[in-house]
Amino acid sequence: GQQLNQSPQSMFIQEGEDVSMNCTSSSIFNTWLWYKQDPGEGPVLLIALYKAGELTSNGRLTAQFGITRKDSFLNISASIPSDVGIYFCAGRYNTNAGKSTFGDGTTLTVKP
Amino acid sequence: KAGVTQTPRYLIKTRGQQVTLSCSPISGHRSVSWYQQTPGQGLQFLFEYFSETQRNKGNFPGRFSGRQFSNSRSEMNVSTLELGDSALYLCASSSLTGGQTEAFFGQGTRLTVV
Repeated sequence: GQQLNQSPQSMFIQEGEDVSMNCTSSSIFNTWLWYKQDPGEGPVLLIALYKAGELTSNGRLTAQFGITRKDSFLNISASIPSDVGIYFCAGRYNTNAGKSTFGDGTTLTVKP
Repeated sequence: KAGVTQTPRYLIKTRGQQVTLSCSPISGHRSVSWYQQTPGQGLQFLFEYFSETQRNKGNFPGRFSGRQFSNSRSEMNVSTLELGDSALYLCASSSLTGGQTEAFFGQGTRLTVV
């Protein structure tokens, strides 16, 4: 089945620093989604990508859909304490179906 | 527009019992997917329902089942609960129209099996 490798597993950064995380897949996806999850809550959608090469921003967040359709990255610029949480990537092959394959998450800690 | 609503938020059950969890999707969304989230296994896909039909199924035993009603609300049921079923169960709703396939999650139901 499809496998998603998300890295790094965790990051400890200073407030104001930029952050980069990525996901790679063993097979292609037609949609990439990035989520943030706070403790005890459901994941919140940050960015959705639908085309290979697409670069999309949401405030300080920027994500790209890799050209090979097997990878995606998420950048956070000028991190702030509320960026703390777990970030998940998710891929979908069939755009008409609700099934997503998730990475294992990147736990972000921001030191003030 | 109201988000995805899952009830109950927390549940404690005993081994061997069965449990039913409920999910109300965003108004107009016809796809509902269920995921199990555990610290060791991450987010694992359980199944997806669209227009009252199960379209996709993950690798979970038959003790896990679900259904969807005509108003798109969905329930999942776990029978003969095991300790390992303790997890956060998440429901996601998608529109799946116009090529927009974002999935929006509810807050989840935290199930503890003792």
